[in-house]
Amino acid sequence: DIQMTQSPSSLSASVGDRVTITCRASQSISTNLNWYQQKPGKAPNLLIYAASSLQSGVPSRFSGSGSGTYFTLTISSLQPEDFAIYHCQQSYSSPLTFGGGTKVEIK
Amino acid sequence: QVTLRESGPALVKPTQTLTLTCTFSGFSLSTSGMCVSWIRQPPGKALEWLARIDWDDDKYYYTSLKTRLTISKDTSKNQVVLTMTNMDPVDTATYYCARGGRMIAYGMDVWGQGTTVTVSS
Repeated sequence: DIQMTQSPSSLSASVGDRVTITCRASQSISTNLNWYQQKPGKAPNLLIYAASSLQSGVPSRFSGSGSGTYFTLTISSLQPEDFAIYHCQQSYSSPLTFGGGTKVEIK
Repeated sequence: QVTLRESGPALVKPTQTLTLTCTFSGFSLSTSGMCVSWIRQPPGKALEWLARIDWDDDKYYYTSLKTRLTISKDTSKNQVVLTMTNMDPVDTATYYCARGGRMIAYGMDVWGQGTTVTVSS
C-alpha cells in the first residue's frame, strides 16, 4: 500500500498569512493527488484534484503543485474560514490512502 | 444537484455485521467513469478509505480490511451498500460515502453528511 505523510501535523497562522502544507508519497503517484478541507463535524470538501486542478467553486487562493512523491497545498492569503483540517489522498492505486491530516489553527 | 446520504444502525454489538446504505441522486452509477467510495473517520483521527465500486462493477478494498468488507450496488435504486463483518469497538467511527470519478482523477467531489456508528456491547 502507498503511504501518505503530511507535514506539519498542525500549524498556527494569522489571517493574511501564506500557508504551505506538504504531502509525501511512499512511491511515485505521478499527479494522482487530491486535497480536501474538513471543518469540525462536517464531511471533507474537495479543493484540488490531480495535484493542481482547482475544483469548481473553490477560491483561487488555494493552489496545489507537485508530482511523483512530493506535493504541496498553498493558501496564498489565509482567511478566517480557512481554519480547518486539510487532508491529502492518493488516487494512483488501490487502496486509495489518505495522509494523517494537517490542522490549521488561528495564531 | 448531486447528493448522497448514508443510512444504517447507530449502534452495533461486537462480532455483529454492519450494513450501511448510501442512497444517492443527481448522477448515475452506470455512467462511464463514475464511482462511489466509503470512507470512515474514528473520533479525532484521520480519514480511512475503505472501499470503492465503479460504474463497471469493479470493486476495490482497503487491504487490511479486505476479508471483512463487501461493497455492492443497485443501479436501479441508486444505492451502494457496504457490509463489514465481525465488528469491533475499534471500528467505531463516522462512515461517509462519496462520489468519485475519472473526470476528477478519482478524487471525491461530493460527500454524504456521514453516519456515526458505535460498536459496544
